[in-house]
Amino acid sequence: GENVEQHPSTLSVQEGDSAVIKCTYSDSASNYFPWYKQELGKRPQLIIDIRSNVGEKKDQRIAVTLNKTAKHFSLHITETQPEDSAVYFCAAIGGGYQKVTFGTGTKLQVIP
Amino acid sequence: EAQVTQNPRYLITVTGKKLTVTCSQNMNHEYMSWYRQDPGLGLRQIYYSMNVEVTDKGDVPEGYKVSRKEKRNFPLILESPSPNQTSLYFCASSLSGGLAGLETQYFGPGTRLLVL
Repeated sequence: GENVEQHPSTLSVQEGDSAVIKCTYSDSASNYFPWYKQELGKRPQLIIDIRSNVGEKKDQRIAVTLNKTAKHFSLHITETQPEDSAVYFCAAIGGGYQKVTFGTGTKLQVIP
Repeated sequence: EAQVTQNPRYLITVTGKKLTVTCSQNMNHEYMSWYRQDPGLGLRQIYYSMNVEVTDKGDVPEGYKVSRKEKRNFPLILESPSPNQTSLYFCASSLSGGLAGLETQYFGPGTRLLVL
């Protein structure tokens, strides 16, 4: 089955700096990669996603890049703000299955 | 309001006492899924359902059962709970199980379960 590894597990950045979270996946048939943000005590919420036929996608301060050859994808947050502090999860889906495999999460702390 | 609801939100029980966590969505979604969230392990899929009467195992199905008799409901059943099932459980739904339908999974508020 699919295996998704996510790094780092914790990340502290100064407000205004950039943050990068990386995930690798094992199943080359996976073709959809969402990112979720989970604030303390709340449910995960989708923040951005990318399909396998796209190399990069941006939404304001958030971007995701995908390298299919290397089987890894990354979340980039620029100009970080304290409200970006949360746990971020990557996931991989596809390959003819409807299983969803999540990474283990990255706790991001943005220091004012 | 479009939403996924779960009940109960908090539950303390004892080993071996059967329990059911309900999940309901009002968006006419075909795909529903259960996850458990544990520190350091992220979210792990327990079971999912493509539609009524169609269910399949996720990555950690042992000790759990599900049913999908109606489109809107997807209860999670623990026949004989054990302490290692202490966790935070999330139900989620999406439009369909096809790739496009999975693009937005709506999560319920979570159920925190403690098994003594």
